[in-house]
Amino acid sequence: DVKVTQSSRYLVKRTGEKVFLECVQDMDHENMFWYRQDPGLGLRLIYFSYDVKMKEKGDIPEGYSVSREKKERFSLILESASTNQTSMYLCASSLWSSNTEAFFGQGTRLTVV
Amino acid sequence: KQEVTQIPAALSVPEGENLVLNCSFTDSAIYNLQWFRQDPGKGLTSLLLIQSSQREQTSGRLNASLDKSSGRSTLYIAASQPGDSATYLCAVFQGAQKLVFGQGTRLTINP
Repeated sequence: DVKVTQSSRYLVKRTGEKVFLECVQDMDHENMFWYRQDPGLGLRLIYFSYDVKMKEKGDIPEGYSVSREKKERFSLILESASTNQTSMYLCASSLWSSNTEAFFGQGTRLTVV
Repeated sequence: KQEVTQIPAALSVPEGENLVLNCSFTDSAIYNLQWFRQDPGKGLTSLLLIQSSQREQTSGRLNASLDKSSGRSTLYIAASQPGDSATYLCAVFQGAQKLVFGQGTRLTINP
């Protein structure tokens, strides 16, 4: 069974903290994605990566960075957390193929206080 | 820029009814289209993937169709059950890497 696993279901962090969200996939997928989901705004792409050490900005990269040192792991970093980054964060992976299909993790609900 | 629209935004029906959820997209040059289900506070679960060369896919009580030329997909749910209550999201692959989502349809099945 395909698996995308996010390190935490719930996180509470303080304003100004550096926050790491981790995502691991076991399907040998080239592509990995980080989205945030907010009521009324839907899913918005923050960053994606198509290979180790490669990354591309999505629609809302400001305030975030990412790291992909190994193919199976994609980390989202909030350099200095702010209250407007309180959200549901979703990680996904997919093959680089015309028959691609996306698989999502269980989500991380981040609250910044 | 690809835009994906889902209508209706919310739907409430009695148990046992057959229902249709709609998804439309503005750019027909897509790779694939995928339907997801999301329960409150959870991640997305893939329901059906329709490749660009296909016109429909079926899984149990679910049937999804794709008409690329008109920019439309429908998700048909037969004999709805309370456990089908969730938000249903449609997403198109714009190329092999860019996934564009609709806003979703929040479905409630009343016992």
